[in-house]
Amino acid sequence: GQNIDQPTEMTATEGAIVQINCTYQTSGFNGLFWYQQHAGEAPTFLSYNVLDGLEEKGRFSSFLSRSKGYSYLLLKELQMKDSASYLCAVRDGDYKLSFGAGTTVTVRA
Amino acid sequence: DTAVSQTPKYLVTQMGNDKSIKCEQNLGHDTMYWYKQDSKKFLKIMFSYNNKELIINETVPNRFSPKSPDKAHLNLHINSLELGDSAVYFCASSPGQGFEAFFGQGTRLTVV
Repeated sequence: GQNIDQPTEMTATEGAIVQINCTYQTSGFNGLFWYQQHAGEAPTFLSYNVLDGLEEKGRFSSFLSRSKGYSYLLLKELQMKDSASYLCAVRDGDYKLSFGAGTTVTVRA
Repeated sequence: DTAVSQTPKYLVTQMGNDKSIKCEQNLGHDTMYWYKQDSKKFLKIMFSYNNKELIINETVPNRFSPKSPDKAHLNLHINSLELGDSAVYFCASSPGQGFEAFFGQGTRLTVV
């Protein structure tokens, strides 16, 4: 089974940087995904890591350490529209994708 | 064009009723999923189909029955609805098992 932990809530100021951590324990590992979900909307794909290291995509970056069972999503130059829930999801050895409970990020002016 | 579409968007019904939610994807994906998101926003997989074949069936009450008439469609039928079934149900699809999933807009089911 999966055990995926991430903080429940984070607050940051517009223009700042926020780092959302995710730790996981899984039976087999075949990749980690980050999704963004605005209130009342569907989750949308942000990033994917399968090898250790940093993946950068514009203002968003995601890091993975497989040996530590750890990932983070880094959001730079925060904008008001970044206020949303960020979901960490892990693909296990059976290729099943399981989600964490999500981190609600609130961006303040 | 909507990639993954599900209907209805909202569904309010009484306990004991039977209801269906439909899902269609026009992405040519082989794999489709049903997820349930409860009031605490926890997104949990229910079922996964690959080319019309059931490959993941989590511990879901057998009142929930998925049906995939073809690989572009995955419907969810729920019998004898209970209050605890109230949640948002998301359909999703991906090119293959465990790849990046594309989600529908969700169906908010309220059982009264």
